[in-house]
Amino acid sequence: AQSVTQLGSHVSVSEGALVLLRCNYSSSVPPYLFWYVQYPNQGLQLLLKYTSAATLVKGINGFEAEFKKSETSFHLTKPSAHMSDAAEYFCAVSEPGGGADGLTFGKGTHLIIQP
Amino acid sequence: DTAVSQTPKYLVTQMGNDKSIKCEQNLGHDTMYWYKQDSKKFLKIMFSYNNKELIINETVPNRFSPKSPDKAHLNLHINSLELGDSAVYFCASSQGPDTQYFGPGTRLTVL
Repeated sequence: AQSVTQLGSHVSVSEGALVLLRCNYSSSVPPYLFWYVQYPNQGLQLLLKYTSAATLVKGINGFEAEFKKSETSFHLTKPSAHMSDAAEYFCAVSEPGGGADGLTFGKGTHLIIQP
Repeated sequence: DTAVSQTPKYLVTQMGNDKSIKCEQNLGHDTMYWYKQDSKKFLKIMFSYNNKELIINETVPNRFSPKSPDKAHLNLHINSLELGDSAVYFCASSQGPDTQYFGPGTRLTVL
């Protein structure tokens, strides 16, 4: 069975500082990995995804993530935080051959940006 | 054009009632899903459906049932609503196991 662990339910950084949101997964097969962002009272928007191509993945809004198989990690980073980045971030995993099972989500990390 | 749409956005109802939430996608995807987001923001798959099979999360009560009149729609019917059903429900669609696109959500409040 798949599982996703997001370390830190809340992360606070200063505007302009590095953002690092951690995600570790477990999967019996090489997975597809996703980061989604949810702004207040809105749906989920895809930030980026890993689907077995390049291990360093660039997404929207200056975010990127690196797939590290040896560490079973897919951490999300952004070099310089902006106030508009304040939101809930979810890491998710799916199995390429079992996509119809849906995504397994982590519990989310609430990103707070301090002025 | 909205890729995945849901109606209504807000739904307030009494315990014991039956209600439905509609979902439509205009992306031509072959698979649609329903997720439940609880008060702690945790997202959990409820159903996934394509034209071949329905996969049901075993933890979902049988009071919940998906209905798909066609490939672009997957509606969620809920019978005998309970207080614990209060949550935000998200519809999503994808082409196979690739990126899922989510609707804006329906906030259900059971009184």
